[in-house]
Amino acid sequence: NAGVTQTPKFQVLKTGQSMTLQCAQDMNHNSMYWYRQDPGMGLRLIYYSASEGTTDKGEVPNGYNVSRLNKREFSLRLESAAPSQTSVYFCASPGGGYNEQFFGPGTRLTVL
Amino acid sequence: AQSVTQPDIHITVSEGASLELRCNYSYGATPYLFWYVQSPGQGLQLLLKYFSGDTLVQGIKGFEAEFKRSQSSFNLRKPSVHWSDAAEYFCAVGAPNNNDMRFGAGTRLTVKP
Repeated sequence: NAGVTQTPKFQVLKTGQSMTLQCAQDMNHNSMYWYRQDPGMGLRLIYYSASEGTTDKGEVPNGYNVSRLNKREFSLRLESAAPSQTSVYFCASPGGGYNEQFFGPGTRLTVL
Repeated sequence: AQSVTQPDIHITVSEGASLELRCNYSYGATPYLFWYVQSPGQGLQLLLKYFSGDTLVQGIKGFEAEFKRSQSSFNLRKPSVHWSDAAEYFCAVGAPNNNDMRFGAGTRLTVKP
């Protein structure tokens, strides 16, 4: 039981390049989330998926797209990366009956 | 929407000293409240949570937190800090029937020998 897994762990992109961050959970949870973490700003919600087949915007969705591929997987795509998207990205999945989040290990992304 | 404020960006305490990290929230009803800890280069681990009932909740690693509705606070405490407690701590607020959990900016804890 791995919980929430993310790939890759590290990535360096040039401005304008695209990439997809992958997330998977094996806890059979319905919801999955993508956050970004920036110094002094805590975690900010980018997108979430309340159930398979649905996605919704969070606080900071601009520049990102998501796909809920199935119940296990929720990917985050940067179509044209910008330096402002340099951040640490966390995938999470709430469970336990009260929406406590279970987090993946994070992806550290640098956009040059 | 709910929101969270952690007034202290960085706190330094000596090993063995007591610790209190502050958290204030904004939400119209009784919120769900959480404290998470993040060690360098790691993801976030849940320390404790409050949903209802007893306002003093116990968590892992010897931490506790007290919900005070009148002050809209949920401060984290530990009676004796260990060097391994050095990390960043995040307070978060959620709500019933609401998928949107909001996090504070975090408090970085340094422990002096």
